[in-house]
Amino acid sequence: RKEVEQDPGPFNVPEGATVAFNCTYSNSASQSFFWYRQDCRKEPKLLMSVYSSGNEDGRFTAQLNRASQYISLLIRDSKLSDSATYLCVVNIDNNDMRFGAGTRLTVKP
Amino acid sequence: DVKVTQSSRYLVKRTGEKVFLECVQDMDHENMFWYRQDPGLGLRLIYFSYDVKMKEKGDIPEGYSVSREKKERFSLILESASTNQTSMYLCASRRDRITEAFFGQGTRLTVV
Repeated sequence: RKEVEQDPGPFNVPEGATVAFNCTYSNSASQSFFWYRQDCRKEPKLLMSVYSSGNEDGRFTAQLNRASQYISLLIRDSKLSDSATYLCVVNIDNNDMRFGAGTRLTVKP
Repeated sequence: DVKVTQSSRYLVKRTGEKVFLECVQDMDHENMFWYRQDPGLGLRLIYFSYDVKMKEKGDIPEGYSVSREKKERFSLILESASTNQTSMYLCASRRDRITEAFFGQGTRLTVV
């Protein structure tokens, strides 16, 4: 089993739609969690951290469920510019970072 | 803003050449990482370093070595480049084991 798993998609949604991605992780010692965004042929960039209590940044909401070992990202009112690959990242206790394979989102007019 | 800079954006090398990929960060981060990213495989960890002169193997260290002589610089070395090392190489750094990582712009290496 992979340490961090994501649905690869692709997710094709119309503008204005709400879309949710999930990411599961296997190591219960994982300490911190993030969502990154990666545009085609570019480097990953931090979208947001994921806090235990859940957190929101504009149209984006991230949640963590430690008991079930998953994190989620919700995007409301999707824009064309949201089209990208979204990577979940898990920091593990041994100083390592683990990435999901990414979920590809395409927002269409 | 944190800046992570990789020495080359695009690189073409011949099979058997020794290749150096350089990465420099300007925020005094302890941890630095080298990944490669291939379609369908995601980011795979090659090596990481948590301090000067310290290094740890990642998932796919074979055919690679690293050097961290100064805190700000982490070099990836392909001892004898092969065509299966054609890939996008990404360097990342972070302050400590629970904070977010920042990436360089990536080096697209082609081995012919």
